[in-house]
Amino acid sequence: EAAVTQSPRNKVTVTGGNVTLSCRQTNSHNYMYWYRQDTGHGLRLIHYSYGAGNLQIGDVPDGYKATRTTQEDFFLLLELASPSQTSLYFCASRDWGTYEQYFGPGTRLTVL
Amino acid sequence: GDSVTQTEGLVTLTKGLPVMLNCTYQTTYSPFLFWYVQHLNEAPKLLLKSSTDNKRTEHQGFYATLHKSSSSFHLQKSSVQLSDSALYFCALSATSSGQKLVFGQGTILKVYL
Repeated sequence: EAAVTQSPRNKVTVTGGNVTLSCRQTNSHNYMYWYRQDTGHGLRLIHYSYGAGNLQIGDVPDGYKATRTTQEDFFLLLELASPSQTSLYFCASRDWGTYEQYFGPGTRLTVL
Repeated sequence: GDSVTQTEGLVTLTKGLPVMLNCTYQTTYSPFLFWYVQHLNEAPKLLLKSSTDNKRTEHQGFYATLHKSSSSFHLQKSSVQLSDSALYFCALSATSSGQKLVFGQGTILKVYL
């Protein structure tokens, strides 16, 4: 099974703060994804990437930037965090030619 | 665009009873359907997948059959256990959704003694 790790696992910041969430996958998957999960909304796609240097816009991108620095690493950036971004964030990866995604353990972000 | 509908937000059952969680989808292309399960404070994990019409797929006592005629992929189990209590997501991948999974809203299953 694919190994996807996320850090930090928990983060508290204040409104207007800068936050970077990290994701690493060690199975050389091509695709990586960032989701947020909120009660009543399920999983919503923020950004995704199909390789180093590539970025695709997801369904709820406002207020988020992302960068894929290597095949393994995908970062989510909140440059001016707002309380509405308090959520549980999941990273996922999948390989070319398959459709199933493998999820990391999640990062719980609280913006005060 | 593509969509997935899970009609039940919460299903509560007594241990040992059968369960069916509904999933219907909309797409104009040939679909790949998934069920993911998420236990409390854990990541979603793949439970079942299928792209074959009218073929039952099974894993860990759960089963589902993709019916393209009715655009459905309902999840079933004949006898639920306490450990089945979790959040279940149905998801769709199709050419029209690009490289994304389209998720339903999720169904919480709670199993009691």
